[in-house]
Amino acid sequence: QSVLTQPPSASGTPGQRVTFSCSGSNSNIGNNYIYWYQQLPGTAPKLLIYKNNQRPSGVPGRFSGSKSGTSVSLAISGLQSEDEADYYCATWDDSLSGWVFGGGTKLTVL
Amino acid sequence: QVQLQESGPGLVKPSETLSLTCAVSGYSISSGYYWGWIRQPPGKGLEWIGSIHHSGNTYYTPSLKSRVTISVDTSKNQFSLKLSSVTAADTAFYYCARHGGMSVTFHFDYWGRGTLATVSS
Repeated sequence: QSVLTQPPSASGTPGQRVTFSCSGSNSNIGNNYIYWYQQLPGTAPKLLIYKNNQRPSGVPGRFSGSKSGTSVSLAISGLQSEDEADYYCATWDDSLSGWVFGGGTKLTVL
Repeated sequence: QVQLQESGPGLVKPSETLSLTCAVSGYSISSGYYWGWIRQPPGKGLEWIGSIHHSGNTYYTPSLKSRVTISVDTSKNQFSLKLSSVTAADTAFYYCARHGGMSVTFHFDYWGRGTLATVSS
C-alpha cells in the first residue's frame, strides 16, 4: 500500500476536464512540495507539475496542479487522446526521510 | 541536455546481488544534485529505492535499507545500485534519475529510460 493515496482509474472524453486526487498526511504532503509525473505506456515517467502548481517548460497549460492541506489534485482541461497515461503524485516524507509515490491513476480517454 | 543511461544484467538469480550502473552525460555529478534509483514492477506503481549526493550522503527507503547500497564514481560520472539477496519480488524496471538541486526534497527532473531486471533461476 502506498503512503500517498490515488484512485486507481479515471476516464474522460476528448475536450473534457478531468481531475486526479492524491491524499497524504502532515509528514508528506502537508509539509513538502508535491510533484506530478505522467507515464506514457512503455516510457519513463515525465515531470508534469513541480512545487505544487508549476509547469516545466514544454508542458501545456492544460495541465494544472493545486494543493490544500494534505490533499492535492491534478487537472487536465481540454482532454486529448495523447493524455492517456498513468499519473503519479510524489513528495518527500519527513517521517520516512525518503520519497513516496502514490499508487498511480490510469487515465483512459474514451 | 542531461542524459542518464542504466546498464546491468537483465537476469539475476535468486539470493544473488543485483548490480546496476547509471551513466550520466551532459552534467557533472560533482556539480551537485542528488542521484536516485526508482523501480517499477511490471504493471505496478513506482517505488523510490534511494538517492546519493556527490558528497556521498545517502538516503534509502526503509523497507530496502538493509539490502541496498548506492555509490557514486565522480571520475566516471556515474552512480551505482547494489541490491542484495534478491527474490522474484525484486523483478522490476529500474530507473535512475536526477533530483534535488537545492534540496533532497526537490523533484526528479531527468530520468533514464529504465532497464528491466528479472530475478529467476
